[in-house]
Amino acid sequence: GDSVTQMEGPVTLSEEAFLTINCTYTATGYPSLFWYVQYPGEGLQLLLKATKADDKGSNKGFEATYRKETTSFHLEKGSVQVSDSAVYFCALSAGGTSYGKLTFGQGTILTVHP
Amino acid sequence: EAGVTQSPTHLIKTRGQQATLRCSPISGHTSVYWYQQALGLGLQFLLWYDEGEERNRGNFPPRFSGRQFPNYSSELNVNALELEDSALYLCASSLQTGWNQPQHFGDGTRLSIL
Repeated sequence: GDSVTQMEGPVTLSEEAFLTINCTYTATGYPSLFWYVQYPGEGLQLLLKATKADDKGSNKGFEATYRKETTSFHLEKGSVQVSDSAVYFCALSAGGTSYGKLTFGQGTILTVHP
Repeated sequence: EAGVTQSPTHLIKTRGQQATLRCSPISGHTSVYWYQQALGLGLQFLLWYDEGEERNRGNFPPRFSGRQFPNYSSELNVNALELEDSALYLCASSLQTGWNQPQHFGDGTRLSIL
């Protein structure tokens, strides 16, 4: 079945540091890929998406490129801020029996210190 | 534009009782999805409704059920509550069906079973 694997957390960085959160996936066909962010006490917010190979999703300084050859969708940001502290989820959406559902990674807790 | 709204914010029940959770999608969205976020278990897909019909279901027992109304709002019902049903229940909606359509989430209902 479909699956998403994220790098183990938590990740702790200083403000203005470079961020990478690794995400790899297993799916049949050509899934769409998403990054969601969850702030404390809130639901998930869509951060960015990519729907086909080599697409780059970007938003609020975050970027991720859909790499079919390595089945990866790593999240990056050049300079993190304290306000980026949250839980980040990588997710995929595919067809077939998985149609309509998002399959999530386990989430990565990011803490940014001033 | 109002986002996905869920009610109640918190719900406290005892074992064996029944719980009803409600969700209003973003205006114009016809698909509604339900997810369970239990501590340590990540985000698990529960149900997908589109145009009033159940389209897909996750690996949950039949005591988890729901429905979608003509105005596209939705209810999730959980019967015979068990302690392990304690979780954050998230509702999401999307503009139309398709695995490249992002799902937009509400802030969830926290269900606690005593």
